[in-house]
Amino acid sequence: DADVTQTPRNRITKTGKRIMLECSQTKGHDRMYWYRQDPGLGLRLIYYSFDVKDINKGEISDGYSVSRQAQAKFSLSLESAIPNQTALYFCATSDRSTDQKSYNEQFFGPGTRLTVL
Amino acid sequence: AQSVSQHNHHVILSEAASLELGCNYSYGGTVNLFWYVQYPGQHLQLLLKYFSGDPLVKGIKGFEAEFIKSKFSFNLRKPSVQWSDTAEYFCAVSGNTDKLIFGTGTRLQVFP
Repeated sequence: DADVTQTPRNRITKTGKRIMLECSQTKGHDRMYWYRQDPGLGLRLIYYSFDVKDINKGEISDGYSVSRQAQAKFSLSLESAIPNQTALYFCATSDRSTDQKSYNEQFFGPGTRLTVL
Repeated sequence: AQSVSQHNHHVILSEAASLELGCNYSYGGTVNLFWYVQYPGQHLQLLLKYFSGDPLVKGIKGFEAEFIKSKFSFNLRKPSVQWSDTAEYFCAVSGNTDKLIFGTGTRLQVFP
């Protein structure tokens, strides 16, 4: 079974709709992240969470919100979707271990392809 | 501000050719460096990483990268590419904040 799962894998929605993307992990990691990937722009950080009570904005948080329901779950919401939010969205996790062999390495989910019409 | 530059946006090679993908970073402090690969239709996977020590690091599938501090570079190399190496490659850097800053990616196409 995959360690980091995302649902749905594909979603088409209309402008103005509210949509939630979900991420679950079985790696036992404290830290979780949401990125969006756009052609030619690489991955950009939307939000991140270092534990259940810690939520931080990334470089492109406008138009998005998140909820960390549990250590293993981190959801991304688009309150009112717009076409320029069409992208591939990735969730990732990392361990807060101080072991340098694993420090900062992030493990990615399979992605959610979101299309906003 | 922290940033990562990947100057090669699209690279086309024949099988058995040698590969070098450039990565330069801007970061004031101790850095951790990564190369991730994204095969078509798949999620990102770690190829290799550098934290400290030997600046030449070896990763999976015959890839290696060299950290040159004076040049702020972490170029990815492979002596002989295969068709199965067709993918998008991302360089990333982090400091002590645990956040990764990604480059814009290099798309590699390898033809038989």
